[in-house]
Amino acid sequence: AQSVTQLGSHVSVSEGALVLLRCNYSSSVPPYLFWYVQYPNQGLQLLLKYTTGATLVKGINGFEAEFKKSETSFHLTKPSAHMSDAAEYFCAVSVETGNQFYFGTGTSLTVIP
Amino acid sequence: GAVVSQHPSRVICKSGTSVKIECRSLDFQATTMFWYRQFPKQSLMLMATSNEGSKATYEQGVEKDKFLINHASLTLSTLTVTSAHPEDSSFYICSARNYASGGPQETQYFGPGTRLLVL
Repeated sequence: AQSVTQLGSHVSVSEGALVLLRCNYSSSVPPYLFWYVQYPNQGLQLLLKYTTGATLVKGINGFEAEFKKSETSFHLTKPSAHMSDAAEYFCAVSVETGNQFYFGTGTSLTVIP
Repeated sequence: GAVVSQHPSRVICKSGTSVKIECRSLDFQATTMFWYRQFPKQSLMLMATSNEGSKATYEQGVEKDKFLINHASLTLSTLTVTSAHPEDSSFYICSARNYASGGPQETQYFGPGTRLLVL
């Protein structure tokens, strides 16, 4: 079975500060891991994904995430927050043999001017 | 990138009526589409997997007779909420897998969602 835990349902950072959104996963097989962003009343936009290969993946809008198998984590970071980063962020896991996505409960990011 | 559309984007209906939501892959063929439901301030929950030309696979706890899914073509899946009630009010999001990209299952694209309000 697969599951995702996002620690912190709400995160607030100052503009220009580091953004760190936490994601831990549980998977019985090698996982595919994703981060999506959702703006109000909109669908999901893929930020980045890890499938195989390099464990540090870079995505859009300056975000990156590192897959750490030993810690079963896939935390999302951005060195300097921008006002436009304020949104809901979802971590998701999928598996090789299946195709469903299992989403975390989401983290709402607020950027303080 | 690949585009998935949903129609309508918003719908308001009376209790007891049925509502159909369409999910289309605009520039690729999708043999598999997924339907998710999202309650306010909550995560997405997979409702069912829609396979072209065959019956949908429903997740545990999802009523197949209430949420009818049809995937009649490689670019269209529909979700019909039958005899809708206020508790069915939610944000429904579909996604589609693009097999033609030659990629594995991570090439999944999400639609913009449909907000359903049942009065």
